[in-house]
Amino acid sequence: NAGVTQTPKFRVLKTGQSMTLLCAQDMNHEYMYWYRQDPGMGLRLIHYSVGEGTTAKGEVPDGYNVSRLKKQNFLLGLESAAPSQTSVYFCASSYSRLQYFGAGTRLSVL
Amino acid sequence: GESVGLHLPTLSVQEGDNSIINCAYSNSASDYFIWYKQESGKGPQFIIDIRSNMDKRQGQRVTVLLNKTVKHLSLQIAATQPGDSAVYFCAENWQSGGGADGLTFGKGTHLIIQP
Repeated sequence: NAGVTQTPKFRVLKTGQSMTLLCAQDMNHEYMYWYRQDPGMGLRLIHYSVGEGTTAKGEVPDGYNVSRLKKQNFLLGLESAAPSQTSVYFCASSYSRLQYFGAGTRLSVL
Repeated sequence: GESVGLHLPTLSVQEGDNSIINCAYSNSASDYFIWYKQESGKGPQFIIDIRSNMDKRQGQRVTVLLNKTVKHLSLQIAATQPGDSAVYFCAENWQSGGGADGLTFGKGTHLIIQP
């Protein structure tokens, strides 16, 4: 049972570099989400999607872009990474109110 | 702004004792709440949820209590075990205009089990 899979698990970037985080879910969920988690904090919503081809901004969207070209995939992009984007990123999916989370991607921006 | 918070960042209990983790929320319009457990290096895992039309809900060794009058939520873990060591988050559910159900998380309580 794969559930929600995030790749990569770890990444180190230099300031100004770009990268894409991939989230894949095999539960046929309509809704998908990207959160970030900083030390001592709860998760904060970056962007979300209510279905294939749709995206919307969450609480902290600046500096990130997303795409949902396929129902099972939700991509999070950083066009020009900044040290403030050093964080652990979690993807989640849901068909109702209960969200299922991936294991996270730990990103460091130097 | 509206947010969900937890009263204590750390809670230390003896193995075998009961644990009570508290959470205060401020959005009176929220009607669904979830407790998640997050172990080190892992994503949040669902423990139990409760809707606002209920005051109490029980699971296996866990009970969630909801007091809407004071906007307070608690998670009770019976006979705490070493495997219960984790950070516990409460999350508040809101409905977005697009139909997705976003979650607002509290900051978390780190439950430490002493032998």
